[in-house]
Amino acid sequence: DSGVTQTPKHLITATGQRVTLRCSPRSGDLSVYWYQQSLDQGLQFLIHYYNGEERAKGNILERFSAQQFPDLHSELNLSSLELGDSALYFCASSVARGGRTEAFFGQGTRLTVV
Amino acid sequence: GESVGLHLPTLSVQEGDNSIINCAYSNSASDYFIWYKQESGKGPQFIIDIRSNMDKRQGQRVTVLLNKTVKHLSLQIAATQPGDSAVYFCAENTGSGYALNFGKGTSLLVTP
Repeated sequence: DSGVTQTPKHLITATGQRVTLRCSPRSGDLSVYWYQQSLDQGLQFLIHYYNGEERAKGNILERFSAQQFPDLHSELNLSSLELGDSALYFCASSVARGGRTEAFFGQGTRLTVV
Repeated sequence: GESVGLHLPTLSVQEGDNSIINCAYSNSASDYFIWYKQESGKGPQFIIDIRSNMDKRQGQRVTVLLNKTVKHLSLQIAATQPGDSAVYFCAENTGSGYALNFGKGTSLLVTP
């Protein structure tokens, strides 16, 4: 158990809908990262928050957004869903501000868009 | 853009043999590298990391080698066990504050 909790574990929704994925980082970790994993793209970095502030954006679509709350949990919002958004979405947390430290991953949320 | 890539998508080894998984990176500014293991249905799990001021680091049954001259990283697993079967990712960070950049992964299959 990495200490990072993601909910829900599975999500099935229709195209055009909006969903929210939730992540609780390890106790004491200030950084939260979101990644998308699909079969043909591997693990793609989406966005990084540190102590409530956005630090970096990767390949995140404009239809996607995220935030980190004062209690440090984070939510990833996916809207106007398309079939191609079906993937595993991982959250990771680390204690450091930057990436030069071990990041602990949650079990992921499997999103299926039908 | 800059990327991290893996030489082989799959690797099959016999139980007890040593495994070597290779990774090439293209960003010469990368100064931190991590190997992750991902078992089916689970999130990536940290194995070992190495900073660019080192060329070798050893853990329990695992060794990471870094060759900055040719921008190459390898993970060696000694006495491979069935429980080592998983997808292995190398990841890099340039120290700019961005998150890790992952390669596509190598699937390691350990046969009895």
